[in-house]
Amino acid sequence: GAGVSQSPRYKVAKRGQDVALRCDPISGHVSLFWYQQALGQGPEFLTYFQNEAQLDKSGLPSDRFFAERPEGSVSTLKIQRTQQEDSAVYLCASSFVGKRHQETQYFGPGTRLLVL
Amino acid sequence: KNQVEQSPQSLIILEGKNCTLQCNYTVSPFSNLRWYKQDTGRGPVSLTIMTFSENTKSNGRYTATLDADTKQSSLHITASQLSDSASYICVVSPQTGANNLFFGTGTRLTVIP
Repeated sequence: GAGVSQSPRYKVAKRGQDVALRCDPISGHVSLFWYQQALGQGPEFLTYFQNEAQLDKSGLPSDRFFAERPEGSVSTLKIQRTQQEDSAVYLCASSFVGKRHQETQYFGPGTRLLVL
Repeated sequence: KNQVEQSPQSLIILEGKNCTLQCNYTVSPFSNLRWYKQDTGRGPVSLTIMTFSENTKSNGRYTATLDADTKQSSLHITASQLSDSASYICVVSPQTGANNLFFGTGTRLTVIP
């Protein structure tokens, strides 16, 4: 595809429900990142993959958050037992090379999650 | 404390006018600094990237400057257009080996006709 795609674009969940957010990175991109962006704030790092390896998950706010990228392409961010404070836009980004601090990251449109 | 501070928080200008957005950071040592443009409902798009040794970088009507000594960067937009209305986010990458990117909260620019 031409860019990073995410689905769904919008998700409304009841508190306590589990959700799964999908990211399709740019084909051939090695690195994949997940960010959480609260309203009016800049994105905050959640986790980072290089191919299928999750190299950094220090930004995941709790053990309710889980991410995977089993085949090194598509990634899924799962949130279990959602809470109202999980409401945010979840952005996925990918870059070509593994040195993520040097490469430009290309962002998807995000998934807007609202937990009621 | 946020390690990347941006100002102003929001800005409204007339179409055709110039404007300058500011970014102050405390991330040290740092590898590079980027400016991203984020349209409403979309993901951020990279405008410029500068390493600590560069002090200016242009991309069309966008010109970014960097003063690594004072840890300040600015994004200057010339001859603004309605399509420039967006949030502009300053992002600082720590030096090699670190994993976190530091994002500012952004400046919300509105260009009015």
